[in-house]
Order: sequence, then C-alpha cells, then structure tokens
Amino acid sequence: DGGITQSPKYLFRKEGQNVTLSCEQNLNHDAMYWYRQDPGQGLRLIYYSQIVNDFQKGDIAEGYSVSREKKESFPLTVTSAQKNPTAFYLCASSSRPRGQGVDGYTFGSGTRLTVV
Amino acid sequence: GNSVTQMEGPVTLSEEAFLTINCTYTATGYPSLFWYVQYPGEGLQLLLKATKADDKGSNKGFEATYRKETTSFHLEKGSVQVSDSAVYFCALETNAGKSTFGDGTTLTVKP
Repeated sequence: DGGITQSPKYLFRKEGQNVTLSCEQNLNHDAMYWYRQDPGQGLRLIYYSQIVNDFQKGDIAEGYSVSREKKESFPLTVTSAQKNPTAFYLCASSSRPRGQGVDGYTFGSGTRLTVV
Repeated sequence: GNSVTQMEGPVTLSEEAFLTINCTYTATGYPSLFWYVQYPGEGLQLLLKATKADDKGSNKGFEATYRKETTSFHLEKGSVQVSDSAVYFCALETNAGKSTFGDGTTLTVKP
C-alpha cells in the first residue's frame, strides 16, 4: 500500500544537538511538506518542496533545514538554533503542486520530538 | 490573512448521538475546504472535502456543506460511535496553494 513513512516515532534531543527526522513516500507525489503541531493548536508549515532539489520556507522555518535529493524523500533537520523544538512533527504529501488544484494532503504518522 | 475557527472542545457525546462541529473561515477568493481526523498518536487523515460553494463532502457517515454565504463548513454525523473519538481539524486551501488549519476539536464518544 502506498503511503508516507516517518521515522523515528519518538526522538529525544539534548540541548545543542541537531537531529534529523526522516520522511519517505511511495505515492509518487511531487509535493511534500513538513508541519509542526503543538498541543491544542493547528498545524504550522515549516518547509515545503514541489520538486526535487527545490524547497521553500513556510511560516516557521527558522531553526529548521530540509533537503530534497530524491522525489521519495524529504528529511527535516531540527538544528540547535530552534529554541523550542519539543513538538509533534508531521510530514505530508500532495499529488498536485501548490496552486494547481487541491486534493488535500496525505500525512505520515508523525515524529514526537522531546528536548531532554 | 486567512483563518479557520472551530468550535472549542472538548465535545463529549453518548453513542448514537448527533454530532455537529462548527467551522467558519476567513479567506480571499474561493478556497477549498477540508475536514481531517487525527487519532491518538497518529497523523491526520483526510475525512472529506468540498471545492466550491454548495458542494457537500461526505465520507463514513460524516457530512459537511460548503456555505459561502455564511463562510462555514460544519461537520455533522447522525449517529456517532465510540470509534469516532478523535481530534477533528477543519482546514482551507486557497488557489495559490496556501493552507490554513483550525486548532482542532476533540471528540469523545462514550458507550
């Protein structure tokens, strides 16, 4: 079955460390997204990519970085510059690029990151 | 900017009760509207969508109608089950591809 796989499910980060969250999809979707979810709040967009080797900042990109070297993969690195990284991180994909029709998103199961 | 406002939760219902979760939006143009459901510890799943005024999205007994005159997209279900307990998110996406999510409404259904 096609879908999005996020790993790990739980991740612990020490102060000053960079950590990378994995996101892989086998849906053949061009567009991929990273969202952050905090308790009782909606989703906020961190980064998105509509094509390999290209990505754009979302609303809260500071302290995060991404790469898109393959269509299937869109890893997110939470750097030490992100002052409050404890959150639930969701990767999503869409069959259509932004602004070319709306189909909704397919989401992964998320990674819960905790700073210890 | 765009915004989505959902009724505050948590909402607690008995099994077989009628469900309404209100959602209103503010956006320029004619956005598409969505309802997503999130079960504990999981990502969001697309529940239903509507892309133009007066469209009705439906799935698994849930329905929502795109009401442009009231800028609303209320989620309804005639008879809820314990398995419907989850967090429900209303969202919009503009033609420019910008998405906005509501804060989510937690539904608990008791047997």
